[in-house]
Amino acid sequence: NAGVTQTPKFRILKIGQSMTLQCTQDMNHNYMYWYRQDPGMGLKLIYYSVGAGITDKGEVPNGYNVSRSTTEDFPLRLELAAPSQTSVYFCASRAQTLAGSGEQFFGPGTRLTVL
Amino acid sequence: AQKITQTQPGMFVQEKEAVTLDCTYDTSDPSYGLFWYKQPSSGEMIFLIYQGSYDQQNATEGRYSLNFQKARKSANLVISASQLGDSAMYFCAMRESALYNFNKFYFGSGTKLNVKP
Repeated sequence: NAGVTQTPKFRILKIGQSMTLQCTQDMNHNYMYWYRQDPGMGLKLIYYSVGAGITDKGEVPNGYNVSRSTTEDFPLRLELAAPSQTSVYFCASRAQTLAGSGEQFFGPGTRLTVL
Repeated sequence: AQKITQTQPGMFVQEKEAVTLDCTYDTSDPSYGLFWYKQPSSGEMIFLIYQGSYDQQNATEGRYSLNFQKARKSANLVISASQLGDSAMYFCAMRESALYNFNKFYFGSGTKLNVKP
C-alpha cells in the first residue's frame, strides 16, 4: 500500500516551459487535492477533485490546470512556468465521509524551481 | 478574513516539558472539523489529531491533545513531554461542512517548534 505518490521529486524549469506533476493514490479515495507551499508558509489550495471527471478551483488556481480521468490519478499541469510558481507542491487525498475526521493523506511533495 | 490563524511563528521548549501551540479559526458554520499536522524538516505532512465541532470532549492521541474552546474559536495543540523528534513545523487546518464547502481545507501559516535538549 503506497498511499499517495508524486513524481517527480524535484524539477527545475525555465520560464515559459510547461510540465505535469503526477499524483497517484491507491486508497480508492474520492477526494484529491493539490496544494502549494511557499517557503516558510502554510499550504494554499490550487485545485481539488471530488471524483473522476469533477474538479474545482481552490484559492490559487491561476497558471495551473488539472484533470481527473480516474479515481487514482490527479495530474497538475503548469503552463508557461513563471518564477512565482517556484514552490513545493503537495498532492493529498481523503476518503468521502460525513462523519469522523476524513483527514487528508499527503504525498511526499514535488520541489519545483522556475528560473 | 483569515480562516485559520497561528500567531506563533516559532517556539522553543525544553525537552520533557509540555508546550502549547496556538490556533484560532473563523467560521460561521456550526459543523466543522479541526486538524493538526506535523511537518518535519524532511517535508512530509503527518496527521496528528482531529476535533469535530460537536465533539463533547477534547481530542487526545498519545502525547498530543487538543484544547478546544469553541466559544473562543480556538483549537490549541498541546504536546506533553516534548521529545527532540517533535522539532518540526506544525500546521492547524479546518474543514467546513457540506452546507458551506465540505471539500476545502484551510491551513494556517504554521508554527516552528524547536525542542532543546
